[in-house]
Order: sequence, then structure tokens, then C-alpha cells
Amino acid sequence: DTAVSQTPKYLVTQMGNDKSIKCEQNLGHDTMYWYKQDSKKFLKIMFSYNNKELIINETVPNRFSPKSPDKAHLNLHINSLELGDSAVYFCASSPGQGANIQYFGAGTRLSVL
Amino acid sequence: GESVGLHLPTLSVQEGDNSIINCAYSNSASDYFIWYKQESGKGPQFIIDIRSNMDKRQGQRVTVLLNKTVKHLSLQIAATQPGDSAVYFCAENNGGSNYKLTFGKGTLLTVNP
Repeated sequence: DTAVSQTPKYLVTQMGNDKSIKCEQNLGHDTMYWYKQDSKKFLKIMFSYNNKELIINETVPNRFSPKSPDKAHLNLHINSLELGDSAVYFCASSPGQGANIQYFGAGTRLSVL
Repeated sequence: GESVGLHLPTLSVQEGDNSIINCAYSNSASDYFIWYKQESGKGPQFIIDIRSNMDKRQGQRVTVLLNKTVKHLSLQIAATQPGDSAVYFCAENNGGSNYKLTFGKGTLLTVNP
């Protein structure tokens, strides 16, 4: 019944590894997002897709590559993980263009050792 | 408001009191604003939103006030309960694009029983 679900909830890995985080929404929304929340709780948009098309890319290193196989899924792949990538990553979705509420997943806590 | 240094602004209230959380937004072109609540270990959860053609909107136990002249937003919580303890974020849509929300730095509300 979870509206926006992300997996895994926790991810611990070594520097230099490649990892993926998956996100799925069952709300029928057209738009999905990835946010990064740092240790100071600052929440910043990384990417947004609308109907599988990339519409926002906020100067994120190209080690981060989002992929949207369909409008219900937005995955985040991270290559060559660095210590500074440690954060909580949130997926969100919204109905589409307009002043729409974004609904967030529970987050994936990534720890890079 | 804006956090200073490494710490979130904090507000500590007694159970049953009213709480007021303030937020200064930055973009005068923003025409949509939203408040989120984030409990420990969870994703941000929608509380209430307001468009720039309004200066007040009420929900259940919450009221949002918008002062566009000074670019200030506030969230009032009536009869605050321990379950209201969380970090509260305001967000603005930056005018042109309704997909992109820019979040403020958050305020930690602690409700003492």
C-alpha cells in the first residue's frame, strides 16, 4: 500500500563501488524526483523526470545517473562512490505540472566507508 | 528562518501550547509554497500549501500565513502535541517551474509533555 517506495532502506558500501537505489510509485503520478539530504538536514533536488523525460538536472556529478524505465519507476545509479556521497536519498512523486504536492518515500540512507 | 552555523533552528514548546514556525523565502517570483513535516527516520510529509494569491490558509490544527511583502511564511500549529515533534520545512516553487521545489533549512520542533 506504500505510495512511494524505495529500496534499499540502508546501503553501506566501500568507496569506489557502484550502487543503485530503486524507487517506485503507485499513485499514477507523471513526475518523479530524487533529492539528497545531508547531515545538516538540508534537502536538495537532484533530478526530476516527467513521463520518463529528464526535466531537472541540478549540477549533480555525472557519476549519478537516473533512469526511468516507465513513469512509475525512477532509479538512481551511482558510480565510483565517494565519502561525500554519504547522505539520505529521497525519492518523490507528484501528479505533474502545476503547483502539485510532492509525495516522498521513506529514504535510503547511504553510508560510504 | 535560516539556520546559522551547523545547527537547525529549534523551537521547544509545552504540550497544549500553540507553535509558530517561521520561514523566510528567497525568490519573489515564487507563487506556490508548501510546508512539510519530517519525523526522525522518515521522509517529508505534506502538511499544508498556499498559493501566492492568498495570505492565509487553514487546515486541521494548522494555519499557514504568507506575507509576500517581506517574503515570509509561517506555520502555526494549535494545541501542539508530542506527535508534532519533528523537523519542519518550508519550500517554494521559484515561480516559473512548478516541478522544482527549493526547501528551506528546516526547524526542529520539540514538544515537551
